[in-house]
Amino acid sequence: RKEVEQDPGPFNVPEGATVAFNCTYSNSASQSFFWYRQDCRKEPKLLMSVYSSGNEDGRFTAQLNRASQYISLLIRDSKLSDSATYLCVVNWDATNKLIFGTGTLLAVQP
Amino acid sequence: SAVISQKPSRDICQRGTSLTIQCQVDSQVTMMFWYRQQPGQSLTLIATANQGSEATYESGFVIDKFPISRPNLTFSTLTVSNMSPEDSSIYLCSVSATGETQYFGPGTRLLVL
Repeated sequence: RKEVEQDPGPFNVPEGATVAFNCTYSNSASQSFFWYRQDCRKEPKLLMSVYSSGNEDGRFTAQLNRASQYISLLIRDSKLSDSATYLCVVNWDATNKLIFGTGTLLAVQP
Repeated sequence: SAVISQKPSRDICQRGTSLTIQCQVDSQVTMMFWYRQQPGQSLTLIATANQGSEATYESGFVIDKFPISRPNLTFSTLTVSNMSPEDSSIYLCSVSATGETQYFGPGTRLLVL
């Protein structure tokens, strides 16, 4: 089983659509979880941290299910500028080692 | 978040040569890391750069191939030694002030011929 697993996509959605990405991780001892966004030929940028209680930042909602070792990201009212690769990232252990998923490609169409 | 710069931003090198990549942060940070992103793939951690001591390497990466320095809390270098075409990749440094959330530099694109 991969350490962090994501559907690579691509997800092609129209503007205004709601889209959800899922991610699973294999290490039950992992403590911190993140979604990063990576635009083409750019470095990853932190989108949001993911907390057990779930958290929301504008159009973006992240959820964590520790029992199922599952993380999700929901994007509402998609914009063209949301087109990017979304990386699910898990802080693996106490050494602060980050494990990256392969990323999910989102293409928002006009 | 900290402002992170990397030099060079890109380079084309001949096989057998070495390239040193610099990472500079505008504020002191607890931790600095070096990652590699091969074409079409996600990021893989190479090593944690430790200030004043030897870097901590991940499985599959060794000091002879990727020597790392971290002389202070704002600067680190990664050298890619005796390069081969397989080393063609993007090399990214990241920093963390809290030991949890990491922020990435713009990356160095390396092509080895």
